[in-house]
Amino acid sequence: GEDVEQSLFLSVREGDSSVINCTYTDSSSTYLYWYKQEPGAGLQLLTYIFSNMDMKQDQRLTVLLNKKDKHLSLRIADTQTGDSAIYFCAVNAGNMLTFGGGTRLMVKP
Amino acid sequence: EAGVAQSPRYKIIEKRQSVAFWCNPISGHATLYWYQQILGQGPKLLIQFQNNGVVDDSQLPKDRFSAERLKGVDSTLKIQPAKLEDSAVYLCASSRRDTEAFGAFFGQGTRLTVV
Repeated sequence: GEDVEQSLFLSVREGDSSVINCTYTDSSSTYLYWYKQEPGAGLQLLTYIFSNMDMKQDQRLTVLLNKKDKHLSLRIADTQTGDSAIYFCAVNAGNMLTFGGGTRLMVKP
Repeated sequence: EAGVAQSPRYKIIEKRQSVAFWCNPISGHATLYWYQQILGQGPKLLIQFQNNGVVDDSQLPKDRFSAERLKGVDSTLKIQPAKLEDSAVYLCASSRRDTEAFGAFFGQGTRLTVV
């Protein structure tokens, strides 16, 4: 089955850019997603990218997809303290949505 | 548009007891998912419904877990009997059809503690 990996932790200063990385194994993946989870809350869909795209920009969020290396990243520009949360990448393959283990983003004032 | 509703929010039970969780998906969403999220991990798919049919339940521990989706709308997930390792947050999600570009929208989850 699909295997999705993420680094566990990222710490940045307020105002800096954050880059959260994700790797996956199934090359037949069609859509790839980024979700945000705040403490005690469910998962909030942030953005997605279709597998025939290299980049997608949505306000402060930029998603980069390197299909050859099966590498997905989420860049958050001008990171704010409110961006502190756990970020999950998720990959849709074979009509199943598989999640990575999550990256905890800590934003220092 | 109302979101995915789940109840209860929290549940504490003793091992070997039974428990049930309820989910009401977003109106019109044909696909419904139950995920298990153990502390510090990403969500793991337990079962996926398309309308009232099961699409995938390969990771559902069928000796103790069961789920149904009545009339293709609401769904219940049951655990009987519960084990300590079932302590987790159970997340329900729905999407318009297959996840594809629409993604899946999640409820707030039910936090289960088995003691």
